[in-house]
Amino acid sequence: EIVLTQSPGILSLSPGERATLSCTASQTVSNNYLSWYQQKPGQAPRLLIYNGSNRATGFPDRFSASGSGTDFTLTISRLEPEDFAVYYCQQYGSSPTFGRGTKVEIK
Amino acid sequence: QVHLQESGPALVKASETLSLTCNVSGVSISKYYWSWIRKTPGRGLEWIAYIYFTGSTSYNPSLKSRVTMSTNMSKNQFSLTLKSVTAADSAMYYCAGSETWLMSFDLWGQGTMVSVSS
Repeated sequence: EIVLTQSPGILSLSPGERATLSCTASQTVSNNYLSWYQQKPGQAPRLLIYNGSNRATGFPDRFSASGSGTDFTLTISRLEPEDFAVYYCQQYGSSPTFGRGTKVEIK
Repeated sequence: QVHLQESGPALVKASETLSLTCNVSGVSISKYYWSWIRKTPGRGLEWIAYIYFTGSTSYNPSLKSRVTMSTNMSKNQFSLTLKSVTAADSAMYYCAGSETWLMSFDLWGQGTMVSVSS
């Protein structure tokens, strides 16, 4: 199985700052079949990014993602109050697996 | 608007079978691939299995021997059966949907918490 390692575990930032989240795979993720999800307390995860860099419906363009092979990045250009949440990466190039998440918290 | 709602017991005894159902409204279950995903403090998010309305299934290798999925077209539902549960199966269980066989999940239920008691 492909193990996804997310870093950092916790990111403490202020509104307006830039957030950079990393997801590293133990093996190459085929075709960049990698998604990012946002999860807020008491809610289900919500698809944010699919196929490595495509933004899902409803998310603004301050969210962007890139990467290929084993290294992927999610960037939030300027944090808004509603962006503070936990973000998970997930690969689906093989049997789906998830990372353990990065919590973006208010500094 | 598409809505997924999980239902099932909140408490299951160890060694017994857990059965969960996901009721889908707003879209025919024939339009998506349907999965179960669980979340625990120890293991995080874990994909369990998927099913397509044709009956095609795929299972997480680590759970394959204990898992069965099925669909009920007339009720627009799909279900999960997990046999021989242990405390390690205590989790928040989510039903989820992906528009293609590529398991990127754009539909999620709110989740149902299941605890396994000894």
